[in-house]
Amino acid sequence: NAGVTQTPKFRILKIGQSMTLQCAQDMNHNYMYWYRQDPGMGLKLIYYSVGAGITDKGEVPNGYNVSRSTTEDFPLRLELAAPSQTSVYFCASSYNQFTGELFFGEGSRLTVL
Amino acid sequence: DAKTTQPPSMDCAEGRAANLPCNHSTISGNEYVYWYRQIHSQGPQYIIHGLKNNETNEMASLIITEDRKSSTLILPHATLRDTAVYYCIVRAAGLGGATNKLIFGTGTLLAVQP
Repeated sequence: NAGVTQTPKFRILKIGQSMTLQCAQDMNHNYMYWYRQDPGMGLKLIYYSVGAGITDKGEVPNGYNVSRSTTEDFPLRLELAAPSQTSVYFCASSYNQFTGELFFGEGSRLTVL
Repeated sequence: DAKTTQPPSMDCAEGRAANLPCNHSTISGNEYVYWYRQIHSQGPQYIIHGLKNNETNEMASLIITEDRKSSTLILPHATLRDTAVYYCIVRAAGLGGATNKLIFGTGTLLAVQP
């Protein structure tokens, strides 16, 4: 199993550009999450999904959109990138809503200039 | 979810036990204590969790006080590769995706010294 795979690992964007961070998991997990981590800070939840076709906002959803068309994939889209979105983005998955054991990807480091 | 308090940093000598404390004085009866760690620039890694009994797995032991207001994560023989930020999180068990959100604080930076 590859676990949770994120692409790209690094990206530099100009202000106003858009892009999609990809996340895929091969563990057949229903729950998937997107977090962001600013330097020296803990992780903050952006969006999460409880299954294909179902998504919901986390703590800091503004400026982002998500979709969940399949169990495996949970892409995060940034529209009109801003410097405040410079961060490391982590995707995670879990088997169900009862477990607090999340499996994280290796992260995508995004810089907006 | 209850708030947790952890020291910002700790040192430990290689080969010694690392004891990482966490205060969660407002924890509710149905809230679990979870520990994760994050090695530099990597995604967080689950370590262990518990409700009221002490727990042990291949990575660590978790000691929860009888009143459940604090806990200690123990790495029995710390190695240099255990240098990481350790997060203590309390989370309610229950139904629905909302209760599965983990709230990460800033954690404890454990530096294992050679």
